Order: sequence, then C-alpha cells, then structure tokens
Amino acid sequence: GDSVTQMEGPVTLSEEAFLTINCTYTATGYPSLFWYVQYPGEGLQLLLKATKADDKGSNKGFEATYRKETTSFHLEKGSVQVSDSAVYFCALRRDTGRRALTFGSGTRLQVQP
Amino acid sequence: DVKVTQSSRYLVKRTGEKVFLECVQDMDHENMFWYRQDPGLGLRLIYFSYDVKMKEKGDIPEGYSVSREKKERFSLILESASTNQTSMYLCASRIDSPLEKLFFGSGTQLSVL
Repeated sequence: GDSVTQMEGPVTLSEEAFLTINCTYTATGYPSLFWYVQYPGEGLQLLLKATKADDKGSNKGFEATYRKETTSFHLEKGSVQVSDSAVYFCALRRDTGRRALTFGSGTRLQVQP
Repeated sequence: DVKVTQSSRYLVKRTGEKVFLECVQDMDHENMFWYRQDPGLGLRLIYFSYDVKMKEKGDIPEGYSVSREKKERFSLILESASTNQTSMYLCASRIDSPLEKLFFGSGTQLSVL
C-alpha cells in the first residue's frame, strides 16, 4: 500500500539556519505530494504541494521538489525563524482510486532564538 | 475562510462508553474525513465520506463507525470505547477536487480511562 516516511524529530535549529526535512514515499502510479504544517494548538494547514515529477512547490520561504527518480519530496528553507516552530507532515494522494491523503508520521521543528 | 469545528477540545470517557465526536464545516464541502493522530504514527485515516449518507473505510476503521446525515456534519462514533482509542482525533473537509487542500479542525483529545 501507499506509505510516506519522514525523518524522525525533533529537529532543533538556531534562527537563520538552513532547514531540510526528508520525506520519501511509496505509491503506485503518479501521486500528488503535499506538505502540511501544524502550529501549536492549531489544526493542520497546507504549506505547499506538487502534482507531477520535477514540480517545485513553494510557500512562505519553504520549497520542495517532486523527485520521481528518488521518490522524494524533501522540505527546505534557507533561513528559519522562531515562528516556523511546528510539526511538519508530508503526505501523498494517489492519482487514481482513494480520495484521501496518506500522511507521514510528522517531524517536529524547534527553532531557538 | 473555511471553518471546520469539532465539538470538544478535550473529552474524558470510560471504557465501554459510546462516544460521539462531532464535526461541522461551513463551506458546503462534499468530502469529509476523520483521522487520528498518535505520536510517531502521524495521521491515520479512520473513515471518510464523499457525500451525504455515503462513507468509505479508511486504514483503521475497526471499533469506529460514522454518520453523515447532513452535508455539513460528519460524526465519528466509538461504539464501545477502549483505552487504545485514546488519541487526538482530527476532522477535515475539502471540496470534491482531489488537488484542493484539506481544511482541518483543531482536534479533539480523547482520553479513555
């Protein structure tokens, strides 16, 4: 079945450091890929998405590139802020069949001033 | 902005009780979902619904049922609560377009004693 694997957290960085959160997936066909973010005490919200190979999703300084050859969708940001502290979830949706998203286990990011 | 409201933020129940978790969305979305969120496991899909009175099992439906009598409301039912159902429950909704984003509620933290 479909699955999403994320690096374990927590990831602790200093402000202005470079961020990478790894995400790899297993799915048949050509899934769409997503990053969702959950700030403390809030519901998950979409951060960015990519729908086909080599697409780059971007939002709020975060970027992720859909790499079909490595089945990866790593999240990056050049300079993190304290306000980026949150839990980040990678997710996929198959191109056929089930309408629901399959999520990874989440990676907690803590940014220290 | 879309609002997804879950009826309780925290809930404490006893083993064997029947538990109802309610979710209401205000944007006429066709699709609604119930996930549970557990540390290290991420979000796992319990049930989803793509129309009134329509439902499909997700990855972990055992011990749960759902009801969707009206488009805006999607209820999750624990027929006989057990301690292994202690978890954060997240409701989400989306228009009937698979690449559109999910809107999540803030979650219900259920403790079964």
